[in-house]
Amino acid sequence: GENVEQHPSTLSVQEGDSAVIKCTYSDSASNYFPWYKQELGKRPQLIIDIRSNVGEKKDQRIAVTLNKTAKHFSLHITETQPEDSAVYFCAASDPSGGSNYKLTFGKGTLLTVNP
Amino acid sequence: GAGVSQSPSNKVTEKGKDVELRCDPISGHTALYWYRQSLGQGLEFLIYFQGNSAPDKSGLPSDRFSAERTGGSVSTLTIQRTQQEDSAVYLCASSLRYLAKNIQYFGAGTRLSVL
Repeated sequence: GENVEQHPSTLSVQEGDSAVIKCTYSDSASNYFPWYKQELGKRPQLIIDIRSNVGEKKDQRIAVTLNKTAKHFSLHITETQPEDSAVYFCAASDPSGGSNYKLTFGKGTLLTVNP
Repeated sequence: GAGVSQSPSNKVTEKGKDVELRCDPISGHTALYWYRQSLGQGLEFLIYFQGNSAPDKSGLPSDRFSAERTGGSVSTLTIQRTQQEDSAVYLCASSLRYLAKNIQYFGAGTRLSVL
């Protein structure tokens, strides 16, 4: 099945700085890569996703890039704010069994934005 | 409309007891997923339902774990003879269709503590 590695496990930045979280995946047949944000004690929520036919996607201060050749994708947050503090999970669709019906998640990155 | 609802939100049980965790997906969502989130870990896939059938049970840790879904809606995850290592947050997610690239919406989870 799919294997997703996520780095770093913790990241601390000053307010206003940029933050980058990187993930690699193992199965070249994966075709969908979402990012979830989980605030303390809350449920994971989708913040951005990208499909394999696109190299980059941006939504205001958040962007995701995908390098299919290298099998890695990254989350970029610009002009960080304290409310960006949370655990961020990357995921990749798992093509095992012939259909991409489930997600394999990375272990998460705890982002702390210091005022 | 209502999101994914899970109950109970917290469950404390004694080792060896059975527990049932409930998930009410978003109305009309045909796909339902159970995940386990242990401290400092990512989201570990347990089982997936398409309608009332479970095409993929590969993530269930042992035969003490089982799940069912009735009426294409409510799902119950049952853990028999609970062990301390079962302590975790159990998350349920639903999506409109079975493909991974359909957005998965998560419930708030059930925090299970086995004493």
